[in-house]
Amino acid sequence: VLTQSPLSSPVTIGQPASISCSSSQSLVNSAGNTYLSWLQQRPGQPPRLLIYRISNRFSGVPDRFSGSGAGTDFTLKISRVEAEDVGVYYCTQSTHFPYTFGQGTKLEIK
Amino acid sequence: QVQLVQSGVEVKRPGASVTLSCKTSGYPFINHPITWVRQAPGQGLEWVGWIKPSSGATNCAQNVLGRVTMTTDISTKTAFMELRTLTSDDTAVYYCAREVIGVTNGDFWGQGSLVIVSS
Repeated sequence: VLTQSPLSSPVTIGQPASISCSSSQSLVNSAGNTYLSWLQQRPGQPPRLLIYRISNRFSGVPDRFSGSGAGTDFTLKISRVEAEDVGVYYCTQSTHFPYTFGQGTKLEIK
Repeated sequence: QVQLVQSGVEVKRPGASVTLSCKTSGYPFINHPITWVRQAPGQGLEWVGWIKPSSGATNCAQNVLGRVTMTTDISTKTAFMELRTLTSDDTAVYYCAREVIGVTNGDFWGQGSLVIVSS
């Protein structure tokens, strides 16, 4: 089970935001790899990959997005929130079957 | 460029079956598993299942086990998911996504297929 916090995050434009994702079990596989990704879903859109393998930004993702963590605890940070960042953010793991998603964190502009 | 294009809206009666398609292009289809994810209205993302085109191996969530069949047609680079014995709980947008083994379970996503189950 992946548990995200907060579930809702009102943020002022230009200010930082942080989302946590905690797993009920280690997401490190027997080869020492961790398959934890972060997705963004804007209203009415399919999910979009932001971060893979904890901290790697996907192609085209702005460098204001960063990921960190290890084992069971992970964090997505946005250094300076912009209006286009509004949406729901999900962590997801593909280390173990069944793959799972966090509940989602809704990022809103104050 | 990588694209996943999904079939359209489906309206089904309870107890019926639905088959969704996910036509891919822009990459070697056989090299990447396809993940199926669904999202009920106003809810979060839920993993449904996974298929590896190179071997046909599949894995699925417990709550659809026995009701879902995932297949691929390598000649048309298309993945399919059949869900049987539909209930209102299956009403959702269903997404397919390309997995990159050893990297992530979804780097490119389809636009989604809406399935409505209603009497």
